[in-house]
Amino acid sequence: DVKVTQSSRYLVKRTGEKVFLECVQDMDHENMFWYRQDPGLGLRLIYFSYDVKMKEKGDIPEGYSVSREKKERFSLILESASTNQTSMYLCASSLQQNNSPLHFGNGTRLTVT
Amino acid sequence: SQKIEQNSEALNIQEGKTATLTCNYTNYSPAYLQWYRQDPGRGPVFLLLIRENEKEKRKERLKVTFDTTLKQSLFHITASQPADSATYLCALQGGYQKVTFGTGTKLQVIP
Repeated sequence: DVKVTQSSRYLVKRTGEKVFLECVQDMDHENMFWYRQDPGLGLRLIYFSYDVKMKEKGDIPEGYSVSREKKERFSLILESASTNQTSMYLCASSLQQNNSPLHFGNGTRLTVT
Repeated sequence: SQKIEQNSEALNIQEGKTATLTCNYTNYSPAYLQWYRQDPGRGPVFLLLIRENEKEKRKERLKVTFDTTLKQSLFHITASQPADSATYLCALQGGYQKVTFGTGTKLQVIP
């Protein structure tokens, strides 16, 4: 079974802090994704990566950056956390073929105070 | 702009009945559509994929239809059980590898 592991289940950070969310997958998937999930807004794509060192903006990239130095690891960075970035963050991975399903981690609940 | 809509935020049905969830999309020409299940506090889990040239797909008590003319997919759970209670999400792949989700429908199966 594919395992996608997010380093923290819950995080509390202060406004202005730099925040790193880490995600590791163990199935050699080419694609990795970061979403945030908010009530009434569903899952919104922040960034995705289809290869090492490659990244593409999703629908809401503002205030975020990503890093993919190794195939199995995809990091989401909040350069200066703000209260409107309080959310559930979900990482996913998939094979690169077009019909490949996404495999999700269990999420990181981030609160910015 | 591209949009995916799941018409009901919440759906309550009696145990044993068939639940039908709707996913409508605009400004996509998807080759396939996916359905996921999400339980509280967990990430979504893939259930089914249907291709544009498939009208219907079944897996145990689940059935998905895909009408590219209406730009709509229907997701059915027959003989529903309380354990089917969850949020169900549809998803489409648009541009290169980008996967976009609907807002989800929260299904509650009442014993």
